[in-house]
Amino acid sequence: DAGITQSPRHKVTETGTPVTLRCHQTENHRYMYWYRQDPGHGLRLIHYSYGVKDTDKGEVSDGYSVSRSKTEDFLLTLESATSSQTSVYFCAITAEPNTGELFFGEGSRLTVL
Amino acid sequence: TQLLEQSPQFLSIQEGENLTVYCNSSSVFSSLQWYRQEPGEGPVLLVTVVTGGEVKKLKRLTFQFGDARKDSSLHITAAQTGDTGLYLCNPDRGSTLGRLYFGRGTQLTVWP
Repeated sequence: DAGITQSPRHKVTETGTPVTLRCHQTENHRYMYWYRQDPGHGLRLIHYSYGVKDTDKGEVSDGYSVSRSKTEDFLLTLESATSSQTSVYFCAITAEPNTGELFFGEGSRLTVL
Repeated sequence: TQLLEQSPQFLSIQEGENLTVYCNSSSVFSSLQWYRQEPGEGPVLLVTVVTGGEVKKLKRLTFQFGDARKDSSLHITAAQTGDTGLYLCNPDRGSTLGRLYFGRGTQLTVWP
């Protein structure tokens, strides 16, 4: 199994509170991604990173920010959580973005009350 | 980003039946990957197709990349309950940042 872990795996929080999800990899892969998955929407890209301190927005980036200060860690932050951000969040990594395999974490289930 | 269409969205069949799911677009892809996601887990790569017209087989699963590289299909022969899952296609449009977007997926349920 690829060395990728997400934390926390489950979190319940209240509207308006900040939340940070962590993705940690031991593969030294350059490319890292954060997706959210909701029924009927498949996987939607939030933000991605193509190197340390190199990040960009995906299709559903509003309300989210990311940071990557080290190769192994990619953090997703919800500055002020809203109920619409209740979802399952997946981190993925790859060594090569065009034909390389995407390895996914086990997901982080976030509930915003 | 929703230039990808996967069909059908849901498919419920009995064990032993055959099925085909599709991934279509008006865009040309450099390559395409199929992933399967089981409940409570992240998606796992099944196959990568690169050449137009390419056919790849993985046991009872047959993957085809369209001649024009705008579409792909996944055919399962004699489905088993273990095939149950969400099947996602993930194309590469050839940019330097590669494959960023997934189709919405086909949720397959195989009943015993």
